[in-house]
Amino acid sequence: KNQVEQSPQSLIILEGKNCTLQCNYTVSPFSNLRWYKQDTGRGPVSLTIMTFSENTKSNGRYTATLDADTKQSSLHITASQLSDSASYICVVKGSGGYQKVTFGTGTKLQVIP
Amino acid sequence: DADVTQTPRNRITKTGKRIMLECSQTKGHDRMYWYRQDPGLGLRLIYYSFDVKDINKGEISDGYSVSRQAQAKFSLSLESAIPNQTALYFCATSDSSGLTGELFFGEGSRLTVL
Repeated sequence: KNQVEQSPQSLIILEGKNCTLQCNYTVSPFSNLRWYKQDTGRGPVSLTIMTFSENTKSNGRYTATLDADTKQSSLHITASQLSDSASYICVVKGSGGYQKVTFGTGTKLQVIP
Repeated sequence: DADVTQTPRNRITKTGKRIMLECSQTKGHDRMYWYRQDPGLGLRLIYYSFDVKDINKGEISDGYSVSRQAQAKFSLSLESAIPNQTALYFCATSDSSGLTGELFFGEGSRLTVL
């Protein structure tokens, strides 16, 4: 069964600090991996996409990494801001049709002053 | 205005009542989806539609039905609501021309069944 596991479930950090969120998956065959940000009471919004051949991709203060061999991804947030408080969801798409999209349960990040 | 609009945003109803959640989009996408989000669980697919004449069940379709009235409109119905259907529901769209499958979500509809 395809699974996407995220850790930690929740995280509290001080404003200005860095943090790293983890995503492990078993989806195979693999097509791509996205990180979504979901603000409280809002729908998820895509932050970045990683394909098989990509190791690192940045989007402002967000940097995603992918190790397709170990089936692991991370999302690193640099110099956190209060607006980074949200849930971050890892979503893995397999090959072979839309049915192969699997969502992680998310990491809830709280940035405090 | 939001690209993907869901109505109502919040609804409280009683067991056995019929409920309809509506979704409309201005992104021009042909693919539309309904998801359910529960605490501690990942988003789960209820139904999806790749065009007006194409409706498909997702992983948790029991107790739900959908209607694709137009390319831009996709509604979700609960014929006889039950308490375990209390959840946050999201409509999403994607463009079939893209290979990466980015989903664009609405703001969500919070449903409480008493």
